[in-house]
Order: sequence, then structure tokens, then C-alpha cells
Amino acid sequence: GQNIDQPTEMTATEGAIVQINCTYQTSGFNGLFWYQQHAGEAPTFLSYNVLDGLEEKGRFSSFLSRSKGYSYLLLKELQMKDSASYLCAVRDISGGYNKLIFGAGTRLAVHP
Amino acid sequence: DAEITQSPRHKITETGRQVTLACHQTWNHNNMFWYRQDLGHGLRLIHYSYGVHDTNKGEVSDGYSVSRSNTEDLPLTLESAASSQTSVYFCASSDGQGSSYEQYFGPGTRLTVT
Repeated sequence: GQNIDQPTEMTATEGAIVQINCTYQTSGFNGLFWYQQHAGEAPTFLSYNVLDGLEEKGRFSSFLSRSKGYSYLLLKELQMKDSASYLCAVRDISGGYNKLIFGAGTRLAVHP
Repeated sequence: DAEITQSPRHKITETGRQVTLACHQTWNHNNMFWYRQDLGHGLRLIHYSYGVHDTNKGEVSDGYSVSRSNTEDLPLTLESAASSQTSVYFCASSDGQGSSYEQYFGPGTRLTVT
């Protein structure tokens, strides 16, 4: 089967660092995405990992361990505008088609 | 600029009525997707298409249908709306080229079935 787990809610302080974890089980794994979604808006792409290791993009970094079925999104120098939901999504190619399977999302609240 | 649009943005309908939600993209992407988003469930795939005349069922396809007659559009039809279909619906597209398959999302349609 397919399963993606991430914490429901997190809180953090402006200027701090926060790590959002995602664990997954899927039969046809071929990459992992992180999306950001502000309340009432569409998800927007943050990062993509297909190989093990860390991908850094400005204040945001994403890590993947395929052997452990684990990823995390690291947000540094938190700003109030980072308050949003963060969606972990696995690209699955089982059945011959590429699909994205999303976790339920982690709602991050950044406070002063 | 290329974009993906959805209409209507908000819709209230009655149980049993047929409803069609429009999705239009000007990215010239081959791949298009429909998701619904409900509290506690995240985004769940309803139907998807990898090109003209290609359609496939997703995780929660019962009660929904799609057709793909051109590259730009993938309308989603609820044959007989039910209260369980009250949700926010997102359309997305991707070009299917390269290794990332990043999906671009439309602004969403909030559907209420009374």
C-alpha cells in the first residue's frame, strides 16, 4: 500500500529554524516533492528530491533518505510569511503512470 | 504569461444536480490532474490525463468523470452531486518532460453541495 505521514501541526518562533519530517511507504517511489500552501491558496512548489542527500535552496532545504523512506524540509531564519501548510508528496510510478501522492500536510504557525 | 485557471471559483449546488468544473491551462502541458482537498486528508487524486483523449481514475474517482478533447482543458463533471462531494477542488498540470514532473496548481474551486 501507500502511506505518507507528517505531523499535523507545528509552531516556531520568528528567526528560528524548524524541521518538518515526512515518512513514506510506496511501491513505486520515484521522487519526493515539498509544496507550500497558504490558507485559501493553491499549493506552490518548493523542492524536489530523487537522490539521497540534501538539496538547498535559499532559506529552505530538503533531505531525502530512500532506504529509510524519510524526508525532511528545513526552514531557516523563519519569517511570519512562512506560516502555511507544508505538503509532502511522493511521485509514484506503479502501474505505469506517474502520480503524486500527498500527505495530509503540516500546518506551521510562526509567532513573533 | 502561462497560467492555469479554474472556474467557477465558488459554487453552491443541490444534491442530485450535475456540476461541471472547468480547468484551463496555457502552459501547453500534456499532463493534467484533478484533486480534492478536505481537512485531515490532504490532496487526493480524482482523475488524471497524460494527453488528449487519455483519462485515468485516481484514488477517489467514484461519482466524477473527465474528458480531454484538447491539450488546454480538463473539465471535471460530478454526475449527481452528493453532500460528500463538498470540498475544495484543485486542478494541476505538468509538462511530463525532464525528471521533476513539477505540478502547477490552479487557484481552486470551492464547491458546496446542499
